Amino acid sequence: GAVVSQHPSRVICKSGTSVKIECRSLDFQATTMFWYRQFPKQSLMLMATSNEGSKATYEQGVEKDKFLINHASLTLSTLTVTSAHPEDSSFYICSARGLALETQYFGPGTRLLVL
Amino acid sequence: AQSVTQPDIHITVSEGASLELRCNYSYGATPYLFWYVQSPGQGLQLLLKYFSGDTLVQGIKGFEAEFKRSQSSFNLRKPSVHWSDAAEYFCAVLQPGNTGKLIFGQGTTLQVKP
Repeated sequence: GAVVSQHPSRVICKSGTSVKIECRSLDFQATTMFWYRQFPKQSLMLMATSNEGSKATYEQGVEKDKFLINHASLTLSTLTVTSAHPEDSSFYICSARGLALETQYFGPGTRLLVL
Repeated sequence: AQSVTQPDIHITVSEGASLELRCNYSYGATPYLFWYVQSPGQGLQLLLKYFSGDTLVQGIKGFEAEFKRSQSSFNLRKPSVHWSDAAEYFCAVLQPGNTGKLIFGQGTTLQVKP
């Protein structure tokens, strides 16, 4: 149980385009989902917290107009990187928190490369 | 503020040897503690967690961790390391309140020698 998927696993796009990443909880309802960014050889950096049916809460320094988050259902959250630039290239990981509120389950990550 | 420190950035052990990865936390009350493992290019997999009760916690893949309040530590151990254990290991503590946010340590890279 507690499986989280992400799609796509890898995406390459041109600078200036937008990219959408999906995060799904496959076998549980996720009241809260989290979006992280991870640079090579570094720990995870929390970008935002997404609660179903409400606006996402962004961490300090994260541009909410650039990283659009939607949590339309209890099993799906999306992260859209708008007008992507090469500096947005990174590994993006989502996690979901279910009924066992203390535990987060992580997706496999999405590698974004902006050319 | 709460924090998590993993003092060892990189550890190398021989296959079959025992392993201990250190984790120290800063937290006022009883913490909710986690160990996650990340293989290259992958997401994080939960190894084990401690919320309360028995201070020695058993996890998946033969890992265990011991919560020591007096030392503010939650070290991860495995008696005999396998080559497949080579990965990045993260210790984390749940932020107080109902945010559900995790505070991660910097991570420890485990290399396993044949």
